[in-house]
Amino acid sequence: QSALTQPPSVSGSPAQSVTISCTGTSNDVGGHNFVSWYQQHPGKAPKLMIYEVYKRPSGVPDRFSGSKSGNTASLTVSGLQAEDEADYYCSSYAGSNNAVVFGGGTQLTVL
Amino acid sequence: EVQLVESGGGLVQPGESLRLSCVASGFHFTFTWMTWVRQAPGKGLEWVAKIKPDGSEKFYVDSVKGRFSISRDNAQNSLYLQINSLRADDTAVYYCAREMYWSLDPWGRGTQVTVSS
Repeated sequence: QSALTQPPSVSGSPAQSVTISCTGTSNDVGGHNFVSWYQQHPGKAPKLMIYEVYKRPSGVPDRFSGSKSGNTASLTVSGLQAEDEADYYCSSYAGSNNAVVFGGGTQLTVL
Repeated sequence: EVQLVESGGGLVQPGESLRLSCVASGFHFTFTWMTWVRQAPGKGLEWVAKIKPDGSEKFYVDSVKGRFSISRDNAQNSLYLQINSLRADDTAVYYCAREMYWSLDPWGRGTQVTVSS
């Protein structure tokens, strides 16, 4: 189960939009619609932001959106706010062993 | 309120064992897949293990097979992770989480495991 590939860091100014990519293979990201995104602030537990590629749990602002094309999933954060500064992790059904595979994480900086 | 609370972590020497616990509240634990995830210092998230609602099926990441054992007590709304032969690279915060179709929500606050001589 190889980790999914995310950029180490992205940044944007307040009110701008940023997109974080998450690249896997046809066995995981590309083969299923079980992609999730998590937000983690320093010293805190991860929080689910997107599940099943594009669905938002109750309470997550609609500034957060998810999509997928082929083996790459994406998280877009629109209207950046200071509180969005955090680490973001993607995950997917790994395609075997009933496992979950995570991306390496992306640090989002709000300039 | 849906809540998960982990406990059982600590400072241990290499080769020792630990049993982590996670108590659930606010949802039907008996019907829910449960998962352990760990995060080494300054590193990303690593899925460790998951268990079926009735405990009849268990899955592990390859790197922990044979040393880690996941279990649950539905009568006590509790999830466990037995970790044997601890190694330095097991040092991490261990989180439990409720799993639905390979998405994890919510997560507990985590319990710190430090392996050092």
